[in-house]
Amino acid sequence: QVQLQESGPGLVKPSETLSLTCTVSGGSISGYYWSWIRQPPGKGLEWIGYIYYTGSTKYNPSLESRVTISVDRSKNQFSLKLSSVTAADTAVYYCARLIARTGSCDWFDPWGQGTLVTVSS
Amino acid sequence: DIQMTQSPSSLSASVGDRVSITCRASQSISSYLSWYQQKPGKAPKLLIYAASTLQSGVPSRFSGSGSGTLFTLTISSLQPEDFATYYCQQSANTPYTFGQGTRLEIK
Repeated sequence: QVQLQESGPGLVKPSETLSLTCTVSGGSISGYYWSWIRQPPGKGLEWIGYIYYTGSTKYNPSLESRVTISVDRSKNQFSLKLSSVTAADTAVYYCARLIARTGSCDWFDPWGQGTLVTVSS
Repeated sequence: DIQMTQSPSSLSASVGDRVSITCRASQSISSYLSWYQQKPGKAPKLLIYAASTLQSGVPSRFSGSGSGTLFTLTISSLQPEDFATYYCQQSANTPYTFGQGTRLEIK
């Protein structure tokens, strides 16, 4: 079955750019939407954005000015960049497949295991 | 943004109990609601989508109901592995939003 694995630095300095990659295994990245979601320690879940395998994107307006999500179909990967980070961006970052169908409920399944990114100097 | 409010925020129950968790949307979301279970240190796991459709492999003791603005997740007979935090999520509009979570603890 499809599995997702996040990778990237666990520590980022304030004002710098957070960069993470999600590698999809057990299936193709083509034909689906892919998403990033984060969870600050001890808190709830926040959707960051999604990308369709063709490259079209949608972002959470609360983060849109700082977020870029991209896809590399040749590597079966998609990536997240979040610029100008502050301590408030410290969180576990999850990648997930988004099942989205016109006129129907959308849901996230499966999820990667998550990776903690700490913003600190 | 559509606000999702879960109640209660935490709940203590015993193995074998029937429990229900409520999720209320700030505006109608039809049946565009999903439920997730999260255990400590783990990623959320999809339980239910489209308000009442059980994800493949999820035990039948889990059920979902509701439409519009009020939804319920019910566990008919709690098992030890069910003690976790549960989240609802709406997909009627972007940004997708989640409830704040309901922590289900052992009494």
